[in-house]
Amino acid sequence: DTAVSQTPKYLVTQMGNDKSIKCEQNLGHDTMYWYKQDSKKFLKIMFSYNNKELIINETVPNRFSPKSPDKAHLNLHINSLELGDSAVYFCASSPGLAARDTQYFGPGTRLTVL
Amino acid sequence: GQNIDQPTEMTATEGAIVQINCTYQTSGFNGLFWYQQHAGEAPTFLSYNVLDGLEEKGRFSSFLSRSKGYSYLLLKELQMKDSASYLCAGRTGTASKLTFGTGTRLQVTL
Repeated sequence: DTAVSQTPKYLVTQMGNDKSIKCEQNLGHDTMYWYKQDSKKFLKIMFSYNNKELIINETVPNRFSPKSPDKAHLNLHINSLELGDSAVYFCASSPGLAARDTQYFGPGTRLTVL
Repeated sequence: GQNIDQPTEMTATEGAIVQINCTYQTSGFNGLFWYQQHAGEAPTFLSYNVLDGLEEKGRFSSFLSRSKGYSYLLLKELQMKDSASYLCAGRTGTASKLTFGTGTRLQVTL
């Protein structure tokens, strides 16, 4: 059984389009995250939700809007896509916010903006 | 915020031991994680340290010195499948925020 899953795995689109990436976890975790990994492999936190409440919102353009309909799902919608948005986007989840709680990553969504 | 520094690349021989170092800013520090990431795959959890000392898990061990803002990952009896990037990540504050280093790409050779 897949613990953290994301769809789609690959996404190729034109500049200016709007797209969404979906994430689901079946681990019963309370906390979910979105990370962006750029071409230099630098992994950077974008957003985090705990029990459907936004708790981390890094300096991310407001074209990016996360939504958590329930604890098991965290989606990412991106408006007006730009070339610089091309990256791999990883979803992750953790049991909660305890210091020892490990984050488990999904397989990633490779976004290419043409 | 956190600055996490680690070497960009390392090469080691199959069967050998390799140590990957990581330094971080101590302000607000609340734990240090090591992840392994194979090319084209997701990061996977290796180890967690919050107290000073060595945590051992089979062939992998991780060490932490809080006063020095220093950690290392020790890989023993290297295998070809250990060729991957190793990401050091520091946790700060109460919101479970992880700040990752750029990763150390390890190449294991025959």
